[in-house]
Amino acid sequence: DAGVTQSPTHLIKTRGQQVTLRCSPISGHKSVSWYQQVLGQGPQFIFQYYEKEERGRGNFPDRFSARQFPNYSSELNVNALLLGDSALYLCASSSTGGTSLFYEQFFGPGTRLTVL
Amino acid sequence: RKEVEQDPGPFNVPEGATVAFNCTYSNSASQSFFWYRQDCRKEPKLLMSVYSSGNEDGRFTAQLNRASQYISLLIRDSKLSDSATYLCVVIDSNYQLIWGAGTKLIIKP
Repeated sequence: DAGVTQSPTHLIKTRGQQVTLRCSPISGHKSVSWYQQVLGQGPQFIFQYYEKEERGRGNFPDRFSARQFPNYSSELNVNALLLGDSALYLCASSSTGGTSLFYEQFFGPGTRLTVL
Repeated sequence: RKEVEQDPGPFNVPEGATVAFNCTYSNSASQSFFWYRQDCRKEPKLLMSVYSSGNEDGRFTAQLNRASQYISLLIRDSKLSDSATYLCVVIDSNYQLIWGAGTKLIIKP
């Protein structure tokens, strides 16, 4: 079975531009979470979606938005890019919807975004 | 104070040695705890869950101390392949995952 896939793997944008990152969860997983990981730090939670509904939102500005499609794949959109948005963006899928206290998240390889 | 804190390291340890590091959390209502491993420029992968009674998986032992609000990871007979960053993860009362910044471990031959 394929794991979590993300595209693109690398992306270079300039300030002010918009970017869309894509994620396909493991087959059968209905929950997708997005994280931002800046070099030297742990992942910071951005969004979680379960069954196409937003289940959680981290402390990120409204420039960040996401959605989940009927096939459970997901997109993360970032508008008006800033230099500080340069990071590794990780997508994680899980079989439960985040209301379980014990669930494993499986991560994709990430999209490395560089904003110039 | 950060919600989840880890010593960033790096911990430089000779091969075969035992190494341990802790992770402290601030929210006493935190529910579940995990250790993830992240290799350089790779995605995090689950290493082990941390149960109240402690748990062991081969050379790895995880412990939870609720009274002092920390979890620990012990690695025995360390291998070169154990070199990585170890991330502590806490699930809070809102079922959100709070990540530590990670502890970098370097095993030297």
